[in-house]
Amino acid sequence: ELKVEQNPLFLSMQEGKNYTIYCNYSTTSDRLYWYRQDPGKSLESLFVLLSNGAVKQEGRLMASLDTKARLSTLHITAAVHDLSATYFCAEHESQGQLTFGSGTQLTVLP
Amino acid sequence: NAGVTQTPKFRVLKTGQSMTLLCAQDMNHEYMYWYRQDPGMGLRLIHYSVGEGTTAKGEVPDGYNVSRLKKQNFLLGLESAAPSQTSVYFCASSPIQHLLNEQFFGPGTRLTVL
Repeated sequence: ELKVEQNPLFLSMQEGKNYTIYCNYSTTSDRLYWYRQDPGKSLESLFVLLSNGAVKQEGRLMASLDTKARLSTLHITAAVHDLSATYFCAEHESQGQLTFGSGTQLTVLP
Repeated sequence: NAGVTQTPKFRVLKTGQSMTLLCAQDMNHEYMYWYRQDPGMGLRLIHYSVGEGTTAKGEVPDGYNVSRLKKQNFLLGLESAAPSQTSVYFCASSPIQHLLNEQFFGPGTRLTVL
């Protein structure tokens, strides 16, 4: 059974601090996605990680992929309030389907 | 381009009623998907389609049917709605044989079954 586990599920952090969200997945998939969802909104694509060792950065967010460990991380640097949202990782399957983690609800406090 | 659109945005049904959710995309994508999202959970795949005239079951297909008669449209039907189908439904599409195979999501349909 395909399974994607994220931790933590809830994260409160102070502005300016750093933190990492972890995503463990169950298969040998070589493709991993990160999405952001604001309350009551749809999903916005953040990163597509295509191969082992892939690292992508956008602003204060940096995502990496270790296919051997079946682990992806989303690192937040110097958090700001605008980053408050729920972040999902998703594993790619053979016909393009995605298996999602439960999400990490991030709250950045002033 | 409108991207992925969903109709309706909100709907309230009584148990046993039927309805159809419409997803439309104008990006000429081959693949289309229907997901549901329940509180505190990620999205779960209901059904998907890899091309016009084809459909396949996802993780949670029971109680739903789908049709893909036209490439740009993917319909999700509930024949006899149950309270357990109260959820937010998202449609997504992606291009075929694209390196990124990125899925683009619609705005969602919030369904309540009483």
